[in-house]
Amino acid sequence: AQSVTQPDIHITVSEGASLELRCNYSYGATPYLFWYVQSPGQGLQLLLKYFSGDTLVQGIKGFEAEFKRSQSSFNLRKPSVHWSDAAEYFCAVDIAGQGAQKLVFGQGTRLTINP
Amino acid sequence: SAVISQKPSRDICQRGTSLTIQCQVDSQVTMMFWYRQQPGQSLTLIATANQGSEATYESGFVIDKFPISRPNLTFSTLTVSNMSPEDSSIYLCSVWGISSYNEQFFGPGTRLTVL
Repeated sequence: AQSVTQPDIHITVSEGASLELRCNYSYGATPYLFWYVQSPGQGLQLLLKYFSGDTLVQGIKGFEAEFKRSQSSFNLRKPSVHWSDAAEYFCAVDIAGQGAQKLVFGQGTRLTINP
Repeated sequence: SAVISQKPSRDICQRGTSLTIQCQVDSQVTMMFWYRQQPGQSLTLIATANQGSEATYESGFVIDKFPISRPNLTFSTLTVSNMSPEDSSIYLCSVWGISSYNEQFFGPGTRLTVL
């Protein structure tokens, strides 16, 4: 069955430090992959997406993610985190095979920023 | 993108009652979805709301418990019927198919507490 795994439930980093959030997927075909952020009391906002082409994708707020087919991974990175990045981050895969029509989400990673 | 509103934003209900949640989009969209996010959990797709026809439910969700309407291309409702404390969750609607965007946009969510 198609699934998304985010191994880290909670990560704490210091402000200004680099960040990597892990995401592994299980999907038979070429995946459509997404990272969303959910701030307290807010809805979900799309950070970036991968459909095809360059495996390193740039998103909003200084985030990037790299698709590695051999590792079935789509890890999210940011070189220097800001206190405002504290939020819940969700990785998702579309299982309809048409872009973003049927999303399966990972369990989420809660990011805490130390001042 | 899209501006999505949900009503109510939150509610506290008694067990055995029903609550209808509204989702309004500021432009016509191809697809509308309803998700449930249980406390501390990820998002789970409840159903796809189909305009002018019955919704398509995911495994584990049934129409009698979560009736859905979609009378036009900008509006949908989700009813949570005969509620129990286990229904306490955030319910989010999302949309797909706005102009050239191949992504889902999410509403702010409805936080439901069942006593």
